[in-house]
Amino acid sequence: GENVEQHPSTLSVQEGDSAVIKCTYSDSASNYFPWYKQELGKGPQLIIDIRSNVGEKKDQRIAVTLNKTAKHFSLHITETQPEDSAVYFCAPSWGSASKIIFGSGTRLSIRP
Amino acid sequence: GAGVSQSPSNKVTEKGKDVELRCDPISGHTALYWYRQSLGQGLEFLIYFQGNSAPDKSGLPSDRFSAERTGGSVSTLTIQRTQQEDSAVYLCASSSIAGNTEAFFGQGTRLTVV
Repeated sequence: GENVEQHPSTLSVQEGDSAVIKCTYSDSASNYFPWYKQELGKGPQLIIDIRSNVGEKKDQRIAVTLNKTAKHFSLHITETQPEDSAVYFCAPSWGSASKIIFGSGTRLSIRP
Repeated sequence: GAGVSQSPSNKVTEKGKDVELRCDPISGHTALYWYRQSLGQGLEFLIYFQGNSAPDKSGLPSDRFSAERTGGSVSTLTIQRTQQEDSAVYLCASSSIAGNTEAFFGQGTRLTVV
């Protein structure tokens, strides 16, 4: 089965600086690479995703980059703001009819 | 409905009692997942459904846990003879297909066993 590792587990950055979270996976058949954001008291919500035929995707201040050879993908948040404070999860998967395994999560704190 | 709905939002129960947690997925979503999240921890996979069948129930912690899904829609997670270690937030998610597509989560049920 898929083995997913996420680093770092906690990250504190100054408001306005950038944050990067990395997710490493084991299954070379993985072809879908999403990032979810979980705010306090809520369920996780998709913020950006990428498929295996694309190397990078950007949506305003957030971006995801994929390195299929090395089997890792990363979440990049630029010009961080207080509302970016949350827990972020990766969840690589493949094919249909499969369970979704999440990384262990990264708690991001933005210092004012 | 517009999103995934879970009920109750909070449940306090006495040790040894049975509890039922309900999940209403987004209409038309064939895949449904249950996760458990202890305070400050990650998402622990419990079980997922494809239609009414459960191809993978490997995450259920013990035989006190069971789940069913009827009519390809509503799912119920049942915990029998609850223990204090069962205290956690139970999250349900649904997606149009199982696997490589966006999963939509409910707000969760916070279970407290006293």
